[in-house]
Amino acid sequence: GAGVSQSPRYKVAKRGQDVALRCDPISGHVSLFWYQQALGQGPEFLTYFQNEAQLDKSGLPSDRFFAERPEGSVSTLKIQRTQQEDSAVYLCASSSSIAPGQGAGNTIYFGEGSWLTVV
Amino acid sequence: AQSVTQLDSQVPVFEEAPVELRCNYSSSVSVYLFWYVQYPNQGLQLLLKYLSGSTLVESINGFEAEFNKSQTSFHLRKPSVHISDTAEYFCAVTPGGRSNDYKLSFGAGTTVTVRA
Repeated sequence: GAGVSQSPRYKVAKRGQDVALRCDPISGHVSLFWYQQALGQGPEFLTYFQNEAQLDKSGLPSDRFFAERPEGSVSTLKIQRTQQEDSAVYLCASSSSIAPGQGAGNTIYFGEGSWLTVV
Repeated sequence: AQSVTQLDSQVPVFEEAPVELRCNYSSSVSVYLFWYVQYPNQGLQLLLKYLSGSTLVESINGFEAEFNKSQTSFHLRKPSVHISDTAEYFCAVTPGGRSNDYKLSFGAGTTVTVRA
């Protein structure tokens, strides 16, 4: 597609429910990132994929968070047993460059985000 | 590790007036610096970036930012804003040079509201 597409755009989950957030990166982009943006805060890094390999998951806040990109394109972020503190916007981003590289000028493109509210 | 402080959370400004958004960073290594803009109900878009060379960088829509190493700052300015500049602006940093770190560290954001 023309840009990074995320679905659902909005999700209300009951506490304890499992949720799955999908990201369709720009076609051909090898790098894919997930960021979490809490209300009133800037985005914070969750995890990074290079093709299908998850090279960095240091930002995942707990073992309830799990991300995958099995075929090196679409990615899913799964949150098990959601808690109220999981309420945030989850941003997906992709880049044509293999990190490191974004600092050298290769642009990272962000999706519009999935807004998760846990009640 | 790097961190970013955006000193103003909200900046109201009248149309055609100048605006400055302040950004300070902390890092023990050289850095690359970025400003992203988020329009209502849209994703983050790269506005401009500093990688090396001239400390003054410009965007296509009239914004500019100046890297000041001694002040560890990367303030964003526009001499005359439009209603369409209403958005949230994020300053971000990542290690530069030969670093293998690709993570962006963002500030908390500054909401700019332009009024007629």
